[in-house]
Amino acid sequence: AQKVTQAQTEISVVEKEDVTLDCVYETRDTTYYLFWYKQPPSGELVFLIRRNSFDEQNEISGRYSWNFQKSTSSFNFTITASQVVDSAVYFCALNPLGAGSYQLTFGKGTKLSVIP
Amino acid sequence: DAEITQSPRHKITETGRQVTLACHQTWNHNNMFWYRQDLGHGLRLIHYSYGVQDTNKGEVSDGYSVSRSNTEDLPLTLESAASSQTSVYFCASRGMNTEAFFGQGTRLTVV
Repeated sequence: AQKVTQAQTEISVVEKEDVTLDCVYETRDTTYYLFWYKQPPSGELVFLIRRNSFDEQNEISGRYSWNFQKSTSSFNFTITASQVVDSAVYFCALNPLGAGSYQLTFGKGTKLSVIP
Repeated sequence: DAEITQSPRHKITETGRQVTLACHQTWNHNNMFWYRQDLGHGLRLIHYSYGVQDTNKGEVSDGYSVSRSNTEDLPLTLESAASSQTSVYFCASRGMNTEAFFGQGTRLTVV
């Protein structure tokens, strides 16, 4: 069975602060994908990143960065110099690739509020 | 541009009625999914399909059914709507090596 845990239910930061959203996953599969999605107040789900389990390189995209550590089964997401537009619910998701599975298992999400 | 659309966007129905939520994608993806989103639960998988005539139960499938008669559509049916099925429903599609693309969501209220 697979599981994704986002222990932080809600986080509030002041604009321009850095913030890290935690994601811990469980799977017996050795090959899997990890994802982050953003859900702004408008409600749509916006894809942010997909990471293959073979690729442990950290990734940076503008103010966003992701730290993938297989040893601790974590895939944490950091926003640098947060902005009000970053206020959203963020979901981490896991897709184990065993037996041809394509379904994503989501964490419960972390609601980020960036205060001006 | 390819897209995935859900209809209706909002629906109010009465307890016991049958309701069908539509999902249509033009990505030509074989893999399609229905999730529900509830506060404190994140997104939970209801049903999924990996191709025409293929349907599978997800984590919270009781009271729901799907059918897949073509690649583009995966309608979700609530056989007899219950108040516990008040939720926001998301449809998604995905290729073999892509992210999942989500529809805009359908807010369903069962009264």
